[in-house]
Amino acid sequence: GAGVSQSPSNKVTEKGKDVELRCDPISGHTALYWYRQSLGQGLEFLIYFQGNSAPDKSGLPSDRFSAERTGGSVSTLTIQRTQQEDSAVYLCASSSRSGFYEQYFGPGTRLTVT
Amino acid sequence: GENVEQHPSTLSVQEGDSAVIKCTYSDSASNYFPWYKQELGKRPQLIIDIRSNVGEKKDQRIAVTLNKTAKHFSLHITETQPEDSAVYFCAASDGYNKLIFGAGTRLAVHP
Repeated sequence: GAGVSQSPSNKVTEKGKDVELRCDPISGHTALYWYRQSLGQGLEFLIYFQGNSAPDKSGLPSDRFSAERTGGSVSTLTIQRTQQEDSAVYLCASSSRSGFYEQYFGPGTRLTVT
Repeated sequence: GENVEQHPSTLSVQEGDSAVIKCTYSDSASNYFPWYKQELGKRPQLIIDIRSNVGEKKDQRIAVTLNKTAKHFSLHITETQPEDSAVYFCAASDGYNKLIFGAGTRLAVHP
């Protein structure tokens, strides 16, 4: 079946511009995560959606970052007024329920802020 | 909240040797402990997981052990091969809340 997909695969933007990154989770998966991974670094948790519960936004690094999940499926991560330090790979993952189940990762979006 | 620490951050072994990566967690309510492998340029993928009702689980050359009393768990890779070279992440969850990842271990297996 189809896995987690993300778009775009690569995004180059100028400092100060806004960007939107999209994640399509596996159908039926109620849990969705966003992570940021800088070159050679670990998985930095950003935000977690679980069903209809309020999202866990505890990992968002600043108020320039926001995310939404529409209809319990597709999610969009928005970064406003991008900075060079926002350059990283943004990974999305989904799982069938909460933290007790395997996370399936998407291929990531490589964001470069010039 | 949960905190997961992972050691070592880098590990270099000769092909055929064993590799051990250790993680500790803070929340005694955690009961699910997966390990993910991320090859260079690829996405992380689950390689093995263990739940708190067992102390050890094996899958061919990889095994995970769990000590709930001490709140630590370990990944063991035997007869390492060059294709085992990757970054390995441990994680922990109480089953209801989000999965918390360790910082990762970069394993290099030299022929």
